Amino acid sequence: QVQLQQWGAGLLKPSETLSLTCVVDGGSFSDYYWSWIRQPPGKGLEWIGEINHSGSTKYNPSLESRVTISVDTSKNQFSLNLSSMTAADTAVYYCARGKTGTTMRGAMDVWGKGTTVTVSS
Amino acid sequence: QPVLTQPPSASASLGASVTLTCTLSNGYSNYKVDWYQQRPGKGPHFVMRVGTGGIVGSKGDGIPDRFSVLGSGLNRYLTIKNIQEEDESDYHCGADHGSGSNFLKVFGGGTKLTVL
Repeated sequence: QVQLQQWGAGLLKPSETLSLTCVVDGGSFSDYYWSWIRQPPGKGLEWIGEINHSGSTKYNPSLESRVTISVDTSKNQFSLNLSSMTAADTAVYYCARGKTGTTMRGAMDVWGKGTTVTVSS
Repeated sequence: QPVLTQPPSASASLGASVTLTCTLSNGYSNYKVDWYQQRPGKGPHFVMRVGTGGIVGSKGDGIPDRFSVLGSGLNRYLTIKNIQEEDESDYHCGADHGSGSNFLKVFGGGTKLTVL
């Protein structure tokens, strides 16, 4: 049973950089895409970006100027950095596994438990 | 890019059926949509993918046969039969758009399903 275990700081001040890491426990690391998604309080999901095992990334254009997603295949983990945080970035942040292949490409079938991130001075 | 529209709320009585709708914006009738269930206080869980031909691939882990999907025109439907208390959740739909450097995942606003 594949599990995603995520961690990182939950309370940030405005202008600080968010850093989260997600480790993949079990299963293949190289056969999937690895995504970050966030959910502001009481709102829907927002995709932040994804990375594959070779480090190829895709980002949400609305966040691209502030986002960096990186991968460490030796540790089966991937990380999110989001700079210049503001109160509008307050959300629960999830990591997730995305399928590859022709028919199911992008379906996110395993999710982390989420990290609550609050931005406040 | 497509916009996915979901009613903010829905309700159904225990044992009844309910159909949730995700509507794609004009011009995206060939898009497939993923349904996710999010129980209170939990992370999302993949339900299944749906296109105009119905389910694509297989259901997510642990999704019972009571859950089914259909696709028609711009609408992608998730039907839950014989509703149980544990089905009370937020249901999100999502879709992939573009490729390469123009790739983007978009989500609807989610529908909160209340079991009466």
